[in-house]
Amino acid sequence: EVQLVQSGAEVKKPGESLNISCKASGYNFIHYWIGWVRQRPGRGLEWMGIIYPGDSDTRYGPSFQGQVTISADKSVTAAWLQWSSLRASDTAMYYCVRGAVAVDPRYFDFWGHGTLVTVSS
Amino acid sequence: EILLTQSPATLSVSPGERATLSCRASQSVNNNVAWYQQKPDQAPRLLIHGASTRATGIPARFGGSGSGTEFTLTINSLQSEDSAVYYCQQYNTRLTFGGGTKVEIK
Repeated sequence: EVQLVQSGAEVKKPGESLNISCKASGYNFIHYWIGWVRQRPGRGLEWMGIIYPGDSDTRYGPSFQGQVTISADKSVTAAWLQWSSLRASDTAMYYCVRGAVAVDPRYFDFWGHGTLVTVSS
Repeated sequence: EILLTQSPATLSVSPGERATLSCRASQSVNNNVAWYQQKPDQAPRLLIHGASTRATGIPARFGGSGSGTEFTLTINSLQSEDSAVYYCQQYNTRLTFGGGTKVEIK
């Protein structure tokens, strides 16, 4: 059974750094893209970026390039989403997603339960 | 960036009736469109990919159609459990989501 288990909710202050994680299991981790989708309160879905653990090829959505860092470690079958300096506008639910097709990201067949990040002074 | 416009924003449908949701792309995305369902306080779930192929375990009352710039998600014989927000997503050029359509049950 494919599972994406995300780390717990976070409350941070503006300017602080943060890593959230996604532990994958139930499939061959290095052969599928894994990425992140943002959902701000009451808003729609935004694709942030995705990484292919097999070779670390990483792609970012235009709004997120340079704003976050996505990484993965195949030895522990996990991915991370990192901020170096949070802003209040980063307050959102963040979903870990698996790309359904091995060769390129395309669509997402499995989703984590989400990690709520709240940034407030 | 390819923009996806979903309409209507909200759709109110009686149980047993059909719901028709639209997704329009700012340029052709061939048939590279997926649809997702998101219920309150839940993660989204993949319904359709390739514009018309149902994902594993999705009931046959969910159907997708379209190509190029116009796509439709049809929910036949609407059930109370279908109350949710539905998003389209294109994966022809990078990845973008539409703004969503909320389906309410009358």
